[in-house]
Parts: sequence; C-alpha cells; structure tokens
Amino acid sequence: TQLLEQSPQFLSIQEGENLTVYCNSSSVFSSLQWYRQEPGEGPVLLVTVVTGGEVKKLKRLTFQFGDARKDSSLHITAAQPGDTGLYLCAGARAGGTSYGKLTFGQGTILTVHP
Amino acid sequence: KAGVTQTPRYLIKTRGQQVTLSCSPISGHRSVSWYQQTPGQGLQFLFEYFSETQRNKGNFPGRFSGRQFSNSRSEMNVSTLELGDSALYLCASSPSGRENSPLHFGNGTRLTVT
Repeated sequence: TQLLEQSPQFLSIQEGENLTVYCNSSSVFSSLQWYRQEPGEGPVLLVTVVTGGEVKKLKRLTFQFGDARKDSSLHITAAQPGDTGLYLCAGARAGGTSYGKLTFGQGTILTVHP
Repeated sequence: KAGVTQTPRYLIKTRGQQVTLSCSPISGHRSVSWYQQTPGQGLQFLFEYFSETQRNKGNFPGRFSGRQFSNSRSEMNVSTLELGDSALYLCASSPSGRENSPLHFGNGTRLTVT
C-alpha cells in the first residue's frame, strides 16, 4: 500500500507570513499533484510535477518534487487570506496501470488571518 | 466548457437503503473516477471507468458498485447503506485516466446515512 504523509495537518498564520507544506512517502511516484479544496467544492488542481528535482512556480506558490520522486513540498510566500483552504498532495503510481487512481495525503488545512 | 456535474448535491438515507449517485464528466473526457472523502480517512479511491469498462478498483466492499454509459456519464451505487458510508462522494474526469493525468473534480454528493 502506498501512503503519502502530509504535514502539518493544520496551519494557522497571519497574512504576509511564509509557509511550507510537506508530502512524504517511502514509495516512488511517477508524478505528484497538488490540489486545493474549498468548503462545499471539489479539489482543484494547482500543479503536476513529474521529473525528480523539478521545481514549478505559480505566482507566490513554489512546488518541488524530490530527486527520488518520493516527496514533494509546497511553499507559499507572503500568504494572503485568499490562500485559505485545504491543500492536498496526491501521487500517481508508476507503471501505467494507475488509471484514475491517485493516492492522497490527509491534507493540510491552512487558515490565513488578515 | 462545463465542468464535472454531480447530482444530487445532498442525500439523506436510512441504514439498509440503497443509493445511486450520478456524474457527468467534462465533454470529451472518457475516464471517470470516484472517490470517497471523510474527515478520518481523507480521499480514498473507489473505482475508475473508461469506455464503459472498469479498469481500476479500490479497496471497498462489493456494496459499492458503478457503471459508465456510452456517453461517458457514470453512476455509482451503494447498497445496504451503513452509518460509516456517510461521506462526500467525489467524481473526477480526465481525457484518458492515464498516470500523471490531472483529475477534474465535481463538487461532490454529500451522503448522510441515519
């Protein structure tokens, strides 16, 4: 069974602070995807990282995939109240048979106070 | 382009009953996946369908079943409902369902079993 451990579970910070969310596993994934989910809605894809060591930036969000493709991180610079939500990492198993199946971390509930 | 549509948004059922949930994928998407989301277990994969065939299945009992129609719309059925089946059921679509394909989620059906 492939597991993704996501930390921290809860993060409460002030507007303007920086934060990092971690996603770790002992298994290798062909890709890591990050989603954000708001109350009453489904998760929305933020980014997909595929190559070990890859770094992707999306405005104030920086995503990194570990060299061994077992871990990933999400760093937010100068957080804003609009960043509040549930952040989920999800891995796709390598081998071409994971059809539609992602292994999700437990999620990080981020609250940014004005 | 319309997003993934799930109906109904809310359902309240009694233990022992059965329920059918519906999902209409994004136009052109042929892969439909179903996930169960609970506070304790997070998002867990139920099954995936492509061209009316189930290609992948998670670790859920046989009470959980699904099907896909020729227009890619999908339904999932839960029979003999238990209290523990109370959850948000999310449907996601993608063009092919292959690994690394991002999933486009609907807003879910909130099922409450009393």
